[in-house]
Amino acid sequence: EPEVTQTPSHQVTQMGQEVILRCVPISNHLYFYWYRQILGQKVEFLVSFYNNEISEKSEIFDDQFSVERPDGSNFTLKIRSTKLEDSAMYFCASRKTGTTNEKLFFGSGTQLSVL
Amino acid sequence: AQTVTQSQPEMSVQEAETVTLSCTYDTSESNYYLFWYKQPPSRQMILVIRQEAYKQQNATENRFSVNFQKAAKSFSLKISDSQLGDTAMYFCAFSFTGNNRKLIWGLGTSLAVNP
Repeated sequence: EPEVTQTPSHQVTQMGQEVILRCVPISNHLYFYWYRQILGQKVEFLVSFYNNEISEKSEIFDDQFSVERPDGSNFTLKIRSTKLEDSAMYFCASRKTGTTNEKLFFGSGTQLSVL
Repeated sequence: AQTVTQSQPEMSVQEAETVTLSCTYDTSESNYYLFWYKQPPSRQMILVIRQEAYKQQNATENRFSVNFQKAAKSFSLKISDSQLGDTAMYFCAFSFTGNNRKLIWGLGTSLAVNP
């Protein structure tokens, strides 16, 4: 089965530093998502992306966050100035069409630790 | 706002036995989708089963089946003939129908299958 690939698997950074989390969605997929999972808390939606623009974003996705699809294959999440509370597992997901019934494929996640 | 509640933080079952994980949700919509995702120690999110709210028939996927009670807003997962590989976190999730809709997640149930 095709896979969504995320790198790195673990990222440690100092508070206030910028981080970029990278994702390679499945090649023929058109809809991309970022979710995060703080330890012990619910998985939370961050942002959805289609046709090179944000489709929807949550209240968590403030000006410190941005997403980009720079080269047609990678899909990145940037956090400009990390805070302690950004420590979480970040999941990238993709699907071929936007239809909710279409299967959503998740990557293995990037564990971000902000010190 | 839509919410998903999983009231069992942890459960355990003996290998080859049957276990049922509970999920309730709240929405005023009449049509939507419900999902169960599995997250093994590898942390990858894997779709187990999905149910369309307008379908009365309960979804089944091999050893996995759901009991969907729309009036009660209940969506439980039954795992038959439990296997050691079923040990994982199980998340219940909700999504509206339509294009490019986000998933709303429960807190998860940690299932341990004991030999």
